[in-house]
Amino acid sequence: EVQLVQSGAEVKKPGESLRISCKGSGYIFTNYWIGWVRQMPGKGLEWMGIIYPGDSDTRYSPSFQGQVSISADKSISAAYLQWSSLKASDTAIYYCARRVGATEAVDYWGQGTLVTVSS
Amino acid sequence: QTVVTQEPSLTVSPGGTVTLTCASSTGAVTSGYYPNWFQQRPGQAPRALIYGRSIKHSWTPARFSGSLLGGKAALTLSGVQPEDEADYYCLLYYGGAWVFGGGTKLTVL
Repeated sequence: EVQLVQSGAEVKKPGESLRISCKGSGYIFTNYWIGWVRQMPGKGLEWMGIIYPGDSDTRYSPSFQGQVSISADKSISAAYLQWSSLKASDTAIYYCARRVGATEAVDYWGQGTLVTVSS
Repeated sequence: QTVVTQEPSLTVSPGGTVTLTCASSTGAVTSGYYPNWFQQRPGQAPRALIYGRSIKHSWTPARFSGSLLGGKAALTLSGVQPEDEADYYCLLYYGGAWVFGGGTKLTVL
C-alpha cells in the first residue's frame, strides 16, 4: 500500500528555522517525484515545488523560489521542506504528494503538516 | 504569472449532474496540460480523482468523469451524492511547472 506520512504539527516563532518531512512507503521512492503544496487558512491549494529523489532534480514555483528549500534523502525514503527564517505568513497546512512522471498524475497525498508561526 | 480559473461556487441537487471547469490564462487547455482533478472535504487532505484529462484512479467513483470542453478542462459529476459536497481543484502542467486553480466549492442542496 502506497503511503506518504508527514511529520507532526509545528509551532514556531518568526525568524526560526524549520524542516518538515514526508516519508514514502509501499513503492520505489526514487522512481517518483514528490511535490509540496501549501494551503493557507481558509484558502486554496498552491503548488510550491517538486523533487525527484532519484537524482535530487528540484523545481520551484516562481512564488516560492528562494523562500523555501526542498530536499530528499533517498536512503530513508524521505522528502523535506525547509525554511531558514519563518514568517507569520508561512502559517499554513503543507501537503506532500506523489507525481507519476510518465503520466503527470498526482496520485497519493500525505496527511498534511500544520505549521503555525506566531510570536 | 499564469492563472488557472475555476468557478468559485456551484450548487447541485442530489441526483443531479454538474460540470466544473478549469481555464488557463495562456489560452485553450489541451491534453498537453495533463489536467488533474482533486476533491477536498473539510478538514481532510486532497484526494486525487482524475489525471491526464480523463483517466480515473482506481478509487475514483464512476460518477466522476473528466473531459475537455470549450477550451477548458472539465469535471462532470453525474448522479451527485450528498458526500460529493466538497472543494474541487484542478491542476495544470506547464512544461516543468504546475499551477492549481482557485477551487470550486460544490454545495449539494
